[in-house]
Amino acid sequence: AQTVTQSQPEMSVQEAETVTLSCTYDTSESDYYLFWYKQPPSRQMILVIRQEAYKQQNATENRFSVNFQKAAKSFSLKISDSQLGDAAMYFCAYRSAGAGSYQLTFGKGTKLSVIP
Amino acid sequence: GAGVSQSPSNKVTEKGKDVELRCDPISGHTALYWYRQSLGQGLEFLIYFQGNSAPDKSGLPSDRFSAERTGGSVSTLTIQRTQQEDSAVYLCASSTGLATDTQYFGPGTRLTVL
Repeated sequence: AQTVTQSQPEMSVQEAETVTLSCTYDTSESDYYLFWYKQPPSRQMILVIRQEAYKQQNATENRFSVNFQKAAKSFSLKISDSQLGDAAMYFCAYRSAGAGSYQLTFGKGTKLSVIP
Repeated sequence: GAGVSQSPSNKVTEKGKDVELRCDPISGHTALYWYRQSLGQGLEFLIYFQGNSAPDKSGLPSDRFSAERTGGSVSTLTIQRTQQEDSAVYLCASSTGLATDTQYFGPGTRLTVL
């Protein structure tokens, strides 16, 4: 079974600064997808960024980028120019690319605070 | 609708009562998932529906939990004889069902069992 580990329960960052959230995972599969979701107090899980394991290039979405290290099974999220609206719980998630159920396996989450 | 909707937003019930939670997926999405988010266990997969195929129920924690999806659209998660440990946020997600797709989540239902 796959597992996802987020070792930082809480992080804080100054507004306009950069912060990196860590995520490691364990799998025996070679093809899979990785995601970062954001969950503000409203509870709505919002997709931040996704990465296909077969792609060597790191995904980017505006101020959000990832550092995907397949051999190390590491998938960190970098948030640049942090904004107050970035404050939320961030979840790293894994999904198999094989046939069958495509449920997500989540880490425990990192609570990000943004300091004005 | 534009996104996944869930109702009710909050539900308070007494131990031993049955509850039904509803999910309306994004129009055209064939795949639907239920997850549970609790303080102790984090986010856990419960059940997955894909089109007319038999659902993947491998995540249901006990036989008190069941779900159905009528007409390939709306889904209802039913918890019978609720227990205090069932208190959690129940999240629904939908997707196109393709291997490459992304799941889009609803706002969840917060269930409190007294």
